[in-house]
Amino acid sequence: AQSVSQHNHHVILSEAASLELGCNYSYGGTVNLFWYVQYPGQHLQLLLKYFSGDPLVKGIKGFEAEFIKSKFSFNLRKPSVQWSDTAEYFCAVIGLLSGTYKYIFGTGTRLKVLA
Amino acid sequence: KAGVTQTPRYLIKTRGQQVTLSCSPISGHRSVSWYQQTPGQGLQFLFEYFSETQRNKGNFPGRFSGRQFSNSRSEMNVSTLELGDSALYLCASSLTSRRGGGYNEQFFGPGTRLTVL
Repeated sequence: AQSVSQHNHHVILSEAASLELGCNYSYGGTVNLFWYVQYPGQHLQLLLKYFSGDPLVKGIKGFEAEFIKSKFSFNLRKPSVQWSDTAEYFCAVIGLLSGTYKYIFGTGTRLKVLA
Repeated sequence: KAGVTQTPRYLIKTRGQQVTLSCSPISGHRSVSWYQQTPGQGLQFLFEYFSETQRNKGNFPGRFSGRQFSNSRSEMNVSTLELGDSALYLCASSLTSRRGGGYNEQFFGPGTRLTVL
């Protein structure tokens, strides 16, 4: 079955620490990959996306993610987090398989950055 | 451009009742998707509409239904509400083509918080 796994449900970091949030997917067809972020009290918004080409993609606010096809992973990274990065992060896969497509989101990772 | 709007923002209903939620997509967006968001479950895909046709459907019971109007506005209906239907219902619009697929990002609305007592 198609699925997206985010291994860390809650992460607490101090400002300036490095961040890596894991995302693994299980999907048999062509996939497009996304990371969305939901800041407290705000809408879900796109951080970055991967469709094809360079597997290292850069998004807004200094975030980047690397697509490793052999590991079915799309981990999110940021070298130095800020207090304002406190939010919930969702990995998402949209896959085409046998002429139909599915939108699948992970369960989310709540990040708390301590000032 | 105005963003995706959803009404109402909050709803309280009792078991057995039905509810209708509304979503207005970004102008020019013809694809509207609905999600149920609950703690620990993330976002669960309900369905997607494009040009007034349901193009894709998630694994929810038939109590959950939707429709899309010619102006791309969409409504979602839940009949015979159960306690487990309490959730944040999100609507997202995108510029996906008639062929479909996630080749464009989705823009999310603020959601409708449904509480079933």
